[in-house]
Amino acid sequence: LAKTTQPISMDSYEGQEVNITCSHNNIATNDYITWYQQFPSQGPRFIIQGYKTKVTNEVASLFIPADRKSSTLSLPRVSLSDTAVYYCLVGDRDFQKLVFGTGTRLLVSP
Amino acid sequence: GAVVSQHPSWVICKSGTSVKIECRSLDFQATTMFWYRQFPKQSLMLMATSNEGSKATYEQGVEKDKFLINHASLTLSTLTVTSAHPEDSSFYICSAAGTVTEAFFGQGTRLTVV
Repeated sequence: LAKTTQPISMDSYEGQEVNITCSHNNIATNDYITWYQQFPSQGPRFIIQGYKTKVTNEVASLFIPADRKSSTLSLPRVSLSDTAVYYCLVGDRDFQKLVFGTGTRLLVSP
Repeated sequence: GAVVSQHPSWVICKSGTSVKIECRSLDFQATTMFWYRQFPKQSLMLMATSNEGSKATYEQGVEKDKFLINHASLTLSTLTVTSAHPEDSSFYICSAAGTVTEAFFGQGTRLTVV
């Protein structure tokens, strides 16, 4: 299983762009990269998923370099409600196992 | 996105009793379900993985006789905490994957054993 490493915490201010990087040096050929957001006392919520290059949806962008050994979640113009823990997961789409790393605790201040 | 419903959202039980938590995938067939527990300020810890119709695979250190998992159908998995004790108090979360391109999570169950 590809292990992931993320910063423990990050601070930002409203309106700024936030980039959270995840390292996954042992990613396998069939693995996808998925990011989840979790608020206190709630289950994780899917944000975005990608395999390579760049993926964008209505809430975030995901940048994956050619070697796929890392990925960066980009949150444009964060608001206070984006304060949460963000998890990067790596795994194949057969979902043999979903293991969470430490996650990144993002605090957005006014 | 797909919906995974977890019930109950919270439960308080007396020490020594058993508690059952249900996890349902409402709009897709979940061939695989995962159960996690989460302590305050910590990440989700995978307890077990279950595939429909077969026995669950437990992670190292998780007592299979204490945390009974049943995945009898493609839309329902249950976790039963048997003979619960205060140290079992935690936030339990299920996740379902299958005919979808990503796993979806339930809202979690806060278990308090008194």
